[in-house]
Amino acid sequence: AQSVSQHNHHVILSEAASLELGCNYSYGGTVNLFWYVQYPGQHLQLLLKYFSGDPLVKGIKGFEAEFIKSKFSFNLRKPSVQWSDTAEYFCAVNELLAGTASKLTFGTGTRLQVTL
Amino acid sequence: DTGVSQNPRHKITKRGQNVTFRCDPISEHNRLYWYRQTLGQGPEFLTYFQNEAQLEKSRLLSDRFSAERPKGSFSTLEIQRTEQGDSAMYLCASVGAVFQETQYFGPGTRLLVL
Repeated sequence: AQSVSQHNHHVILSEAASLELGCNYSYGGTVNLFWYVQYPGQHLQLLLKYFSGDPLVKGIKGFEAEFIKSKFSFNLRKPSVQWSDTAEYFCAVNELLAGTASKLTFGTGTRLQVTL
Repeated sequence: DTGVSQNPRHKITKRGQNVTFRCDPISEHNRLYWYRQTLGQGPEFLTYFQNEAQLEKSRLLSDRFSAERPKGSFSTLEIQRTEQGDSAMYLCASVGAVFQETQYFGPGTRLLVL
């Protein structure tokens, strides 16, 4: 079974600081990778995803992530965070089930707190 | 709102009672997933439906848990004889066409077992 590690459990940044959240996964084959965000009181929303092609993917709200296959990593970055980015961030990797379907395996999440 | 909806949003029950949750996926999404999320953890996969067929169940899903998707549209998750350890957020997600693997999540049902 796959596993996903998010080493930063709680990150506190000031507005305008740069952000990088780490994500490592265990599977060595073909993977689809995701970052989801959960704002306070809201449901999980897709931030960005990598399926194939350019390993640098851009998502909503100025976020990007880089897939580095040799490091089994898919770190999330944002050059300048805003107070509204305060949320919990989850990295996820798909794991194939029978047939063509897959399930998501999530990391434990990183709580980002942005201070004014 | 054409997203995934879940009802109820909150449920408080006493240990030993049965509870049932409902998920309505995005219209025409033929794949539906249930996940469970406990405090400080990411969501964990419980079960998966393709249309009305339940194709995969996690070992997390004990015999007290049952899920159905009778007409291939909405789904229900029932927990019998609830235990305090069942307290969690129960999430539903749906996916559209084959090879489009993005899962869209509902707001979840938060269960508290007293």
